[in-house]
Amino acid sequence: AQSVTQLDSQVPVFEEAPVELRCNYSSSVSVYLFWYVQYPNQGLQLLLKYLSGSTLVKGINGFEAEFNKSQTSFHLRKPSVHISDTAEYFCAVITIDNAGNMLTFGGGTRLMVKP
Amino acid sequence: KAGVTQTPRYLIKTRGQQVTLSCSPISGHRSVSWYQQTPGQGLQFLFEYFSETQRNKGNFPGRFSGRQFSNSRSEMNVSTLELGDSALYLCASSWASTQETQYFGPGTRLLVL
Repeated sequence: AQSVTQLDSQVPVFEEAPVELRCNYSSSVSVYLFWYVQYPNQGLQLLLKYLSGSTLVKGINGFEAEFNKSQTSFHLRKPSVHISDTAEYFCAVITIDNAGNMLTFGGGTRLMVKP
Repeated sequence: KAGVTQTPRYLIKTRGQQVTLSCSPISGHRSVSWYQQTPGQGLQFLFEYFSETQRNKGNFPGRFSGRQFSNSRSEMNVSTLELGDSALYLCASSWASTQETQYFGPGTRLLVL
């Protein structure tokens, strides 16, 4: 079975500062990796995903993430955050050998951008 | 293209009742997955349907069930509601395979009193 750990439940940061949201996973098989964002009273929106190839993945809204196989990590970064980035961020995995779409999510990180 | 729609958006039920939630996927998508989101347990996978067949199932009791129709619309049913079933229920659709992006609906917020 796989599991996902988001090390920080809350991350406060000032506007225009850089931010990193950490994600580690454990799995006995290879996985696909995802980051989703959830704004208040809304569903989840995909920020980016890693399937294969380059370990640096660029997503929407200026976010990027780096897959590190040896450390089993997939940390999300943004060089300069905006107030509008305030939301909850979820890291998720799917095992490659799974025929379907069973996402396993981390506990989420609440990003709070302060003016 | 219309997004994933879920109805109703809000629902209040009492313990012991049953409830049916509906999800209409993006046109052309054949896979529909359901997730439960609670403050205590976070986001947990319930089940996935693909071409009217359950393809994956999470670790939930048999009170939770679902189905998918030929037009890919899906329903989930919870029987004998318990207080702990209060949650945001999210539906996600995708074309087919694991590599495809799952698109989430806004969710149905269920409150059990």
